[in-house]
Amino acid sequence: RKEVEQDPGPFNVPEGATVAFNCTYSNSASQSFFWYRQDCRKEPKLLMSVYSSGNEDGRFTAQLNRASQYISLLIRDSKLSDSATYLCVVNGPGGGSYIPTFGRGTSLIVHP
Amino acid sequence: NAGVTQTPKFRVLKTGQSMTLLCAQDMNHEYMYWYRQDPGMGLRLIHYSVGEGTTAKGEVPDGYNVSRLKKQNFLLGLESAAPSQTSVYFCASISGGARREYTQYFGPGTRLTVL
Repeated sequence: RKEVEQDPGPFNVPEGATVAFNCTYSNSASQSFFWYRQDCRKEPKLLMSVYSSGNEDGRFTAQLNRASQYISLLIRDSKLSDSATYLCVVNGPGGGSYIPTFGRGTSLIVHP
Repeated sequence: NAGVTQTPKFRVLKTGQSMTLLCAQDMNHEYMYWYRQDPGMGLRLIHYSVGEGTTAKGEVPDGYNVSRLKKQNFLLGLESAAPSQTSVYFCASISGGARREYTQYFGPGTRLTVL
């Protein structure tokens, strides 16, 4: 079983739609969690960190469920510019280990 | 502040040739990483470094060597390139240290083709 799993999609949604992605991780000792965005042929860029209490940044909401070992990303009011691949990243285990594990990404296509 | 830079941006090699990819960061980060990204495979860790003078193997280290002689630079070497090493290579860094900052910053990538 891969350590970090994502549905590759693509998720094909109209502008204005709400879309949600999930990501599951296998290591219960994982310490930190992130969503990155990657545009075609470009480098990944941090979208947001994911905190235990959940966090929101404009149209984006991220949540962590440690008991079920998954994180989620919700995008409201989708824009054409949201079309990209979204990478789930899990760090850990703890004790100072900075070895991120990436999911393979979920592709989002927002159409007019 | 340039962040993370990579050279070259593109390269075409013949099988058996060697080359070195350079990654440089000006953020005084402790941790540096080399990944390769292939279609449908996601990012795979080749080698990483937790500080100047130290390196360690990642998920797919075979065929690659690395060095971290200076804190700001992390070099990835291919001694005898093979077509299977055709890929996009990304370098990344993390602050680490007492601040325990985990966000990774990526370079723009190097697109390597081995014929």
